[in-house]
Amino acid sequence: AQKITQTQPGMFVQEKEAVTLDCTYDTSDPSYGLFWYKQPSSGEMIFLIYQGSYDQQNATEGRYSLNFQKARKSANLVISASQLGDSAMYFCAMREGDTGRRALTFGSGTRLQVQP
Amino acid sequence: DAGVIQSPRHEVTEMGQEVTLRCKPISGHDYLFWYRQTMMRGLELLIYFNNNVPIDDSGMPEDRFSAKMPNASFSTLKIQPSEPRDSAVYFCASSGTYGYTFGSGTRLTVV
Repeated sequence: AQKITQTQPGMFVQEKEAVTLDCTYDTSDPSYGLFWYKQPSSGEMIFLIYQGSYDQQNATEGRYSLNFQKARKSANLVISASQLGDSAMYFCAMREGDTGRRALTFGSGTRLQVQP
Repeated sequence: DAGVIQSPRHEVTEMGQEVTLRCKPISGHDYLFWYRQTMMRGLELLIYFNNNVPIDDSGMPEDRFSAKMPNASFSTLKIQPSEPRDSAVYFCASSGTYGYTFGSGTRLTVV
């Protein structure tokens, strides 16, 4: 079974609008961490935001926020006020266990294109 | 902090040749990961180390692949002999108390 599922291979959004990228996960471990990374066309993996399974509030980092719905096992990334530079691949990833010391499992990614 | 440093950035080699990819993790990080990214399989874990000791190498595709971490500041991923299907971007990442930092990747092309 897929541990991380990203069902949107591609998304379009108009500049300055908000966009939500979907991510669902599957784990039986009560302690886990969820990550989002951005991969622009240059290829590097850029960390965006992190949500721990015990965190009571949704994580936010500037224009990025994570809509964490634990019962639904979803961790959607919300980008507000999209910019042309947000065009990239976005990956959701999960670390299982509470030590932060295990490997990340990645979803298949969503390609976001921001249109002027 | 220079981040995770990988070399070379690009490698083109002929089928059958040995290829060595290199990684310098962030100082103080005690975990090091090797990932491979392809269009077909996405990002997949190959192997990871804790304190220079391999913990999980179940993702290593076959015996042609080997990885070492002789000290806390250096790791190698070797493919011998290389095949066209090994063409991919190989990422190294390191992790300390918080978070995971990725290197810029090595784009390997085997012709």
